[in-house]
Amino acid sequence: NAGVMQNPRHLVRRRGQEARLRCSPMKGHSHVYWYRQLPEEGLKFMVYLQKENIIDESGMPKERFSAEFPKEGPSILRIQQVVRGDSAAYFCASSPEGGSYTFGSGTRLTVV
Amino acid sequence: KQEVTQIPAALSVPEGENLVLNCSFTDSAIYNLQWFRQDPGKGLTSLLLIQSSQREQTSGRLNASLDKSSGRSTLYIAASQPGDSATYLCAVNQAGTALIFGKGTTLSVSS
Repeated sequence: NAGVMQNPRHLVRRRGQEARLRCSPMKGHSHVYWYRQLPEEGLKFMVYLQKENIIDESGMPKERFSAEFPKEGPSILRIQQVVRGDSAAYFCASSPEGGSYTFGSGTRLTVV
Repeated sequence: KQEVTQIPAALSVPEGENLVLNCSFTDSAIYNLQWFRQDPGKGLTSLLLIQSSQREQTSGRLNASLDKSSGRSTLYIAASQPGDSATYLCAVNQAGTALIFGKGTTLSVSS
C-alpha cells in the first residue's frame, strides 16, 4: 500500500497560469480532503470529496479554485489564473468512512 | 463554528523529560480527535486517533487522552528524545465533516 500519493512535489507557475495538483488516495479510502498550509500558519481546510461528489467546499475560495474526485483516477485540485497569494503547501488526505486520516507529502506551489 | 487551540505554541525541553501538550476545542460534539506530527518541510504523520466514545489511546511513549465534556485533549510524551522534535498538531471533526486543525505546538528536545 503506497499511501497517499501527491504530485507534483513542487510546482512553479507564473502569475495567470493554471495549477493542477493531483492526489491518489490510499487503496480502500473513499474520502479525500484538501488542505492549504501557509508558512507559520496552521492547516486550513479547503474541500472534502467522495467519489464523484463534493461533500463540503466551505473552505475553498469561490473563484479560481475547483476540485474533483472522479470515478476513475486521482482527485484534482485546480487553481486558475494563479496569483502570488496562492503560493503555499497543499496537502491531500484520505480516509475510510469515519476513520483515521492519512496525509500525502504535499505539493509546494510557488507563483512567480 | 469549531475552533481548535493548542497551548503552548512552542516548547523546549532537555532530553529525557516527560511532557504534556494541550489541545482544546469549542464544540464538544466531536466524532474523532486525531494527533499528528509534522517535521519541517514534510507532510503529516498520524500519531493517535481517539474516537468520541474513547477516553485515551496509547502508542509506545505516547498517550493521548480525551475529555469531551470539557473540550480538551492532552498528548503525553514520556522520556522525550531529540528525534521527537517536530510540530504536533491536534485536529477534531464532527460526523460527516472534515478535520479542523489547531495551529500546533512546536517541540524542541535538546540532547
